[in-house]
Amino acid sequence: RKEVEQDPGPFNVPEGATVAFNCTYSNSASQSFFWYRQDCRKEPKLLMSVYSSGNEDGRFTAQLNRASQYISLLIRDSKLSDSATYLCVFEPGGSYIPTFGRGTSLIVHP
Amino acid sequence: GAVVSQHPSWVICKSGTSVKIECRSLDFQATTMFWYRQFPKQSLMLMATSNEGSKATYEQGVEKDKFLINHASLTLSTLTVTSAHPEDSSFYICSARDRYGYTFGSGTRLTVV
Repeated sequence: RKEVEQDPGPFNVPEGATVAFNCTYSNSASQSFFWYRQDCRKEPKLLMSVYSSGNEDGRFTAQLNRASQYISLLIRDSKLSDSATYLCVFEPGGSYIPTFGRGTSLIVHP
Repeated sequence: GAVVSQHPSWVICKSGTSVKIECRSLDFQATTMFWYRQFPKQSLMLMATSNEGSKATYEQGVEKDKFLINHASLTLSTLTVTSAHPEDSSFYICSARDRYGYTFGSGTRLTVV
């Protein structure tokens, strides 16, 4: 099993839609989890950390399921500006060496 | 928030020359800096991990004599692509861990002609 599995997409959705991405990880020692956003030809930027209790930031909700070893990102009321690649990142406990997913491409169309 | 300043943003060089890329953490100390390469429409590929005051750790398949990494201070790490060839053309990005997560430099687009 790969360290990180992430559906590359693309997810093609209309404006206003709700879309969700999952990312599974194999290292059960992973302690910290993040979602990053990367625009074309730009560097990745932190979208949100993922906490055990789940967390929400406006239209974005992140969840962690330790038992099934995956994290999810839910985007409500999609905007055209949400079009980007979304990367999941895992960090094993005791080590600050991140593992990146390959990214999921989201295209929001009018 | 934390900022990692990366220079240059883009560079075009002739085959056989060397190119140095700098990454500076501006408002935090980066004991460790990660260097990535990304080809178009592909995922980030970790090349090496640089540690302040010690030798860098290279990923399998990355030539350490070709990609020289120096991390001389807690705020500066450099990657030098030596004897660059067209196949080295890529997007190079550095990253460091801050209190919130990983902060990336803005990347360097290298074109070798």
